Amino acid sequence: EIVLTQSPGTLSLSPGERATLSCRASQSVSRGYLAWYQQEPGQAPRLLIYGASSRATGIPDRFSGSGSGTDFTLTISRLEPEDFAVYYCQQYGSSPGTFGQGTKVEIK
Amino acid sequence: QVQLQESGPGLVKPSETLSLTCAVSGYSISSGYFWGWIRQPPGKGLEWIGSIYHGGRTHYNPSLKSRVTMSVDTSKDQFSLRLTSVTAADSAVYYCATDPTGLDYFDSWGQGTLVTVSS
Repeated sequence: EIVLTQSPGTLSLSPGERATLSCRASQSVSRGYLAWYQQEPGQAPRLLIYGASSRATGIPDRFSGSGSGTDFTLTISRLEPEDFAVYYCQQYGSSPGTFGQGTKVEIK
Repeated sequence: QVQLQESGPGLVKPSETLSLTCAVSGYSISSGYFWGWIRQPPGKGLEWIGSIYHGGRTHYNPSLKSRVTMSVDTSKDQFSLRLTSVTAADSAVYYCATDPTGLDYFDSWGQGTLVTVSS
């Protein structure tokens, strides 16, 4: 199965700053089938990005995804207070679909 | 807007069977779509358990395949998960979710239900 490694483990930033989160796969993700989710404490994950770069319905345009092959990035252009959360990547190009271990974006 | 709600016992004894149901509202299961289960041990990451498609075809994580059964009840607009021979390692928050394309990514999630395996 494909192992996804997210970095950094924790990102300490201030509101208004830019966040760049990385997701690296142990082998190429077929057809760019990579998704990003946001999870706030005690809440279910929320789909942000699918197909590496397509925003899900209702997701603000400050969230953007990019990448292909084994290297993918989630960028939050200007952090809002509600963006401080844990972010997971998931590949669904090969079965079984697998998730990264998460990156926590915390307030500096 | 599809809404999902998990239900089932919060405590299961080791070696017994975990059974959960996901009630779907705002959408008729018989109309199509795809449905999945994902779990998250406390303080840990996410694990895809499996998916079921409106025609009843299932697709399970190989690591759990020997113990998992999923089913759909279109008359009640709900789908279910059974996990047999549970151990403490199966303690987790279990989420049901919708898969918009059958590709195993998930765009709507239930709130999750915590299941603890303990005697």
